[in-house]
This record gives sequence, C-alpha cells and structure tokens, in this order.
Amino acid sequence: GQNIDQPTEMTATEGAIVQINCTYQTSGFNGLFWYQQHAGEAPTFLSYNVLDGLEEKGRFSSFLSRSKGYSYLLLKELQMKDSASYLCAVMDSNYQLIWGAGTKLIIKP
Amino acid sequence: IAGITQAPTSQILAAGRRMTLRCTQDMRHNAMYWYRQDLGLGLRLIHYSNTAGTTGKGEVPDGYSVSRANTDDFPLTLASAVPSQTSVYFCASSPGGDVFVTGQGPGYGYTFGSGTRLTVV
Repeated sequence: GQNIDQPTEMTATEGAIVQINCTYQTSGFNGLFWYQQHAGEAPTFLSYNVLDGLEEKGRFSSFLSRSKGYSYLLLKELQMKDSASYLCAVMDSNYQLIWGAGTKLIIKP
Repeated sequence: IAGITQAPTSQILAAGRRMTLRCTQDMRHNAMYWYRQDLGLGLRLIHYSNTAGTTGKGEVPDGYSVSRANTDDFPLTLASAVPSQTSVYFCASSPGGDVFVTGQGPGYGYTFGSGTRLTVV
C-alpha cells in the first residue's frame, strides 16, 4: 500500500529553527511536495523535490533522499505567521498526489 | 476569475438532499481533483479527471459523482447527503502528466480552490 508518515504536531519558539520529517512508501515516485495550510484556508505550494539533495528557498528548505524514502522541511528564523499545518505529498507513477495527514506547527513567542 | 473558484463557500444541508459543489478554473489545466479534508485524516481524493471528458474514482468515491464536460468546470454532486459527508471540500487542478513534473512557474504543483465547508444535518 501507499503511505506517507509525518508527525501530528510540533512546537517551536519564534526565531528558532524547526525540521519537519516525512517518510513515504509509494508505487512509483515523480517528486515530493510540501504545502503550507493555515487554519481555515486552502493548501499553498511551498516546495518540490525530485532529485536527492537540498532545495533552498528563502527561510524554507526541503531535503530529499529517494533511497531512504525520506524528506524534511526546514524552517529557519521562525515567525508567528509560520504557525500552520505542513503537508507532505508524493506524486506516484500515475502523476497523482498521495498526501500525508499533515504536521500542525505551533510557534510560541 | 483568477485560479480556481469554488462555490458555495459554506452550506448547511439537510440529510437526504441533493447538492452540487461547483469548481471552475481559468488556467487551462488538464487535470482536476476533488478532495475532502477531515481532522486527523488529511486530504482524501474523492474523484479526479485527467482531461476533459474523462473521470476516475479516488480513495473515497462512494456517495459522490462528478462530470467533466469541458476543461474549466468540474462539479461534484452528492446525490443524497448523509451526516458523514460533513467535511471541508477542496477542488484542485494541475497541468497534468509530465507537463506537471517538468513544469516551472505558476503551474508548479496543484492549485487549490478556497474550499467549501459542508455540514449535513
């Protein structure tokens, strides 16, 4: 079966760094996505990894290891507005996204 | 219209009633999707369409139907609503296929509508 695992909830302090992990088992792999979803809003695209390594985009970075079925999203210099759920999703061999349940990130002052 | 528009924003529906959730996109994306999102369960695919004129079943299709008469519209119909269909429904679109994998710019990733919050009582 297909499975995406990520922690349910994490707490971090404003100004700090947090790493959200995602492990996956899917039928085929056409890339891994991270989305941000604020409460009551739609998910918005953050990052896409299809090759191994680190992709950096401002305060956010995403890492992928295909051999380990593993990714992480790294958020630096945390701000209160980063309080949201972070969704990991893998595109399978049919070009459909398989979604994790999301990690709720709570930022404390 | 810019992106994806869903209607209504929210609805309270009596059990047994029929309802259609509307979804329209103006990005000429080939693929469209309907998801429901429930606490603790994440996004679950209901139905999808890879191109106009074709549809397919997702993970949780029972009680729902879709049609894709043209590229822009992808309505979701609940034939006879039940309380377990209380959820937030998101419509999404993407260029589809390998266009999606190799694409750059705004077409990168799925684009989501703002959602419909449905309560069946």
